Amino acid sequence: AQRVTQPEKLLSVFKGAPVELKCNYSYSGSPELFWYVQYSRQRLQLLLRHISRESIKGFTADLNKGETSFHLKKPFAQEEDSAMYYCALSPWGGNTGNQFYFGTGTSLTVIP
Amino acid sequence: DAGVTQSPTHLIKTRGQHVTLRCSPISGHKSVSWYQQVLGQGPQFIFQYYEKEERGRGNFPDRFSARQFPNYSSELNVNALLLGDSALYLCASSLGGTIETQYFGPGTRLLVL
Repeated sequence: AQRVTQPEKLLSVFKGAPVELKCNYSYSGSPELFWYVQYSRQRLQLLLRHISRESIKGFTADLNKGETSFHLKKPFAQEEDSAMYYCALSPWGGNTGNQFYFGTGTSLTVIP
Repeated sequence: DAGVTQSPTHLIKTRGQHVTLRCSPISGHKSVSWYQQVLGQGPQFIFQYYEKEERGRGNFPDRFSARQFPNYSSELNVNALLLGDSALYLCASSLGGTIETQYFGPGTRLLVL
C-alpha cells in the first residue's frame, strides 16, 4: 500500500536560513510526487511536482528512489514561506486514476 | 476563472442525518476528486469521478457516495452521519488524464453534533 510520511509536524527556521522539509514514501511501483502548500486562509495549491523539475518560489525537490524520499528544499527562507506544506503521491500506471495520497503536513514558520 | 468552487462553506448537522456537498470544477476539467481532511491530518482520498464514471474509491464506508453530472460538477453524499465525519471536505478538479495536477477548492467544513 502507498504511504507518505512527513516526520516533522512543526518546523521553525530563521529568515535567510536554509530550509528542508522531509518527505518519505512507500510504494511498490513508480510514483509521481508533488508538494502542495497552504498559506493562511488560502486553499491548497500546487507548489511543484517531480516530473516538471521546475523551481517554484526558490523551492526544489529531488526524488531519491533509493531512499524513497522527496525532500523539499530552499536555500534562503523568506517570511512569506510560512505555511503548511503537504507532500503527496500519485501512483503511475494501472487503473488507479488520479488518486493522491497525502502526508500529514509540516507547518513551517520563518522567524524574522 | 474562479477556480474550483464548493458549497456550502460551512455546515452543522446532527448524528444520523444526511448531507450533500457540492463542487464545480474549473472550466474544461472533466475529473473531480473528493478528499476528507480531519484536523491535524492530510487530505484522505474518498472518490474520483471522470466523465460521470467512478474511477477510484478510497477506504470509506458505503455511507459515502458521490456522482458527477453532465456539466462535470459533482455531489458528495454522506448518510447516517457520525461524529467522526466532522471534517473539512475538499474537492479537486483536473483535466482527467492520469497523474494530472489537481486543483483544490476551498472546502466545506462539516460539523456533526
